[in-house]
Amino acid sequence: ELKVEQNPLFLSMQEGKNYTIYCNYSTTSDRLYWYRQDPGKSLESLFVLLSNGAVKQEGRLMASLDTKARLSTLHITAAVHDLSATYFCAVDPLEGGGADGLTFGKGTHLIIQP
Amino acid sequence: NAGVMQNPRHLVRRRGQEARLRCSPMKGHSHVYWYRQLPEEGLKFMVYLQKENIIDESGMPKERFSAEFPKEGPSILRIQQVVRGDSAAYFCASSPTITQPQHFGDGTRLSIL
Repeated sequence: ELKVEQNPLFLSMQEGKNYTIYCNYSTTSDRLYWYRQDPGKSLESLFVLLSNGAVKQEGRLMASLDTKARLSTLHITAAVHDLSATYFCAVDPLEGGGADGLTFGKGTHLIIQP
Repeated sequence: NAGVMQNPRHLVRRRGQEARLRCSPMKGHSHVYWYRQLPEEGLKFMVYLQKENIIDESGMPKERFSAEFPKEGPSILRIQQVVRGDSAAYFCASSPTITQPQHFGDGTRLSIL
């Protein structure tokens, strides 16, 4: 069974600081997604990482994927209050095609204080 | 291009009643996925459907839960004889192909009294 573990699960940080959220997974996959969820809302797609070494950046967020280590990171640079949300990583266990849904981590609840 | 549409947004049922949750995928998307989210948890995959076919239902409880995606109309997730433990947010996602990212709807929050 595929396991996806995120850490930390809770993170409180000050504006202007940098931090990294980690996502480890237990099976081979070269397809990983990061989503953001605001309270009571749906999931917003942030990044799609499709190959080993993939790095994507959008504003203050940068995501990377190391398929050999089965690790993805979401790095926050100079955090601002608007980034407060819950961040999920999700792994697609497809290997050359398949029919499974995504397996999600438990999420990282991020609070950014002024 | 409208996003994934789910309705209702909120649904309240008494124990023993039936709950029907609807999902219209994005235009051009023929792959539909249902997920369940318990409070403070990530989403758990339930079922994956294409038009008129259930492809993978490995995440569906064996009893009381069923899903369909008819040729015409939305996908339906049906929960019969609901129990308190069915209270959760149910999200639908769709994608144009199996390898492209899934887009999520706003979810249906189901509360069981």
